[in-house]
Amino acid sequence: DAGVTQSPTHLIKTRGQQVTLRCSPKSGHDTVSWYQQALGQGPQFIFQYYEEEERQRGNFPDRFSGHQFPNYSSELNVNALLLGDSALYLCASSWTAKNIQYFGAGTRLSVL
Amino acid sequence: GESVGLHLPTLSVQEGDNSIINCAYSNSASDYFIWYKQESGKGPQFIIDIRSNMDKRQGQRVTVLLNKTVKHLSLQIAATQPGDSAVYFCAEKGTGANNLFFGTGTRLTVIP
Repeated sequence: DAGVTQSPTHLIKTRGQQVTLRCSPKSGHDTVSWYQQALGQGPQFIFQYYEEEERQRGNFPDRFSGHQFPNYSSELNVNALLLGDSALYLCASSWTAKNIQYFGAGTRLSVL
Repeated sequence: GESVGLHLPTLSVQEGDNSIINCAYSNSASDYFIWYKQESGKGPQFIIDIRSNMDKRQGQRVTVLLNKTVKHLSLQIAATQPGDSAVYFCAEKGTGANNLFFGTGTRLTVIP
């Protein structure tokens, strides 16, 4: 049984560009949450998707958007990239929001 | 606002000794707490969780203690092994919330 998978593993972009990160949840999970983890810090919540809708959002600008597909997989999009967007982006899946969130290995984004 | 903090950023223990990692939280309304282990280059890995109606929960070699009076959480690892070396995060979820709030983390180093 595959766990949470994310792609790509690493990505290098330049300021102003746009990026799309992808996540496949653990089998049986219907809820996907995205987190940003800066170097040396704990993960920070970006948003959560359930039934293809954004259910809750953290303190991130509208440049960060997402989508959930009928198969529960999800995408995170970031527009107009800033140097400060460089971080590890983590996807977590769970069966409903009330249960344990399991994390993927993350996508390391570097903005130059 | 909510905050989850750790008393010590680093902890070094001798192989075979017991480890105790502490965490303070500020939101008395939080009803769910979880410990994650994060190794270099990997996403956070679930260790153990506890709900606010409990004060102790045991897993394999790990015990989580919750003291709601002083808003303190601890993770005890018995017979610490080199493979336990990692950054440990505590996270909390408020009542009705869907997301996790993470602390900065404690780096545990096991000395052989």
